[in-house]
Amino acid sequence: AQRVTQPEKLLSVFKGAPVELKCNYSYSGSPELFWYVQYSRQRLQLLLRHISRESIKGFTADLNKGETSFHLKKPFAQEEDSAMYYCALKGMNAGKSTFGDGTTLTVKP
Amino acid sequence: GAGVSQSPRYKVAKRGQDVALRCDPISGHVSLFWYQQALGQGPEFLTYFQNEAQLDKSGLPSDRFFAERPEGSVSTLKIQRTQQEDSAVYLCASSLAQGVSTEAFFGQGTRLTVV
Repeated sequence: AQRVTQPEKLLSVFKGAPVELKCNYSYSGSPELFWYVQYSRQRLQLLLRHISRESIKGFTADLNKGETSFHLKKPFAQEEDSAMYYCALKGMNAGKSTFGDGTTLTVKP
Repeated sequence: GAGVSQSPRYKVAKRGQDVALRCDPISGHVSLFWYQQALGQGPEFLTYFQNEAQLDKSGLPSDRFFAERPEGSVSTLKIQRTQQEDSAVYLCASSLAQGVSTEAFFGQGTRLTVV
């Protein structure tokens, strides 16, 4: 069985402060991990994926297989980062993705 | 097309009524997914198509739920004899192919309210 846990429902930081959104997963094989973002009144969209090892909008995420985590980080939060963030897991060669329940990030001015 | 399109955007159904939700994927996308998102929760997988073949329907909650994609493009999710617990946002997503890290593009969802 695969499971994704995002322990924080709500996270609030001030503009310019570092931010870390936590994601832990449970999966017996080698997973693919993703972060999706949903801005207000917009559709869910991919932010980044672990296999690409990319930085998008200043966000990075490192897959830690030992701790089964894929935390999303940004050193200096901006107001436009305020959104709902979902961590998702896909098993290799599996069609479906399993999502966490999301973290609402609010960046205050 | 601009992206994945779902219709209707909002649907109110009386308990016991049948509903049909439509998804138009991005042209050329082979894979199509349906998810159910209850209030305050993340999307939950319902079913997955590759072209017209339904490869995984393990997430459909009951036999009242049925999905089809007869020509490998547009898909319809049908819910028979709706119940209050079916109230949720139904999301459709499509991707170019089923492969490593293939990005899924989501529609804006259909919000179903069963009264």
